[in-house]
Amino acid sequence: DAKTTQPPSMDCAEGRAANLPCNHSTISGNEYVYWYRQIHSQGPQYIIHGLKNNETNEMASLIITEDRKSSTLILPHATLRDTAVYYCIASDSNYQLIWGAGTKLIIKP
Amino acid sequence: GAGVSQSPSNKVTEKGKDVELRCDPISGHTALYWYRQSLGQGLEFLIYFQGNSAPDKSGLPSDRFSAERTGGSVSTLTIQRTQQEDSAVYLCASTLLGSNQPQHFGDGTRLSIL
Repeated sequence: DAKTTQPPSMDCAEGRAANLPCNHSTISGNEYVYWYRQIHSQGPQYIIHGLKNNETNEMASLIITEDRKSSTLILPHATLRDTAVYYCIASDSNYQLIWGAGTKLIIKP
Repeated sequence: GAGVSQSPSNKVTEKGKDVELRCDPISGHTALYWYRQSLGQGLEFLIYFQGNSAPDKSGLPSDRFSAERTGGSVSTLTIQRTQQEDSAVYLCASTLLGSNQPQHFGDGTRLSIL
């Protein structure tokens, strides 16, 4: 699986869009980009995943660059409940995802 | 229930004791995973069950760790002769058959070894 690099922490104002970057410069053609988040004392929660095309669901949007070497998770209108650690993972399957330390996102009122 | 259920939510035990952690996956999910998460760290893969196939045990840190999945549903992770370094949150996830389906997690068991 490709290694991913994320900033250790970020702040965002409540109501603004939160843009979380992820670098995966060694990603291979069949590897998907997955995003999960983990709110304190809870298990990780799936957010979104994609291969080449940008994806959107009720939680977030995923923008993948054309060369697929990086991606951005967008939370369009961040709320205090979005404060969590966000994990970006590149994998060719949902099997044995390799988890890094993630980005600690703090939403400020 | 609708989600993955783990029990107990917290477990405190003395060094050297055996512990059993339980996971009830989402009904119909054929794949089940166990992970370990130390404070402030990402998840560490332990073991993976898929249907009736032999489990992938490559992540188990020592032979004190074992897991079973009975009837393709409930799974039990057993740690024998616990050590202080076993203290962590143990997370279970399940997923549908098929590649690229997301994993759905329980809230974990927080294990503390005194």
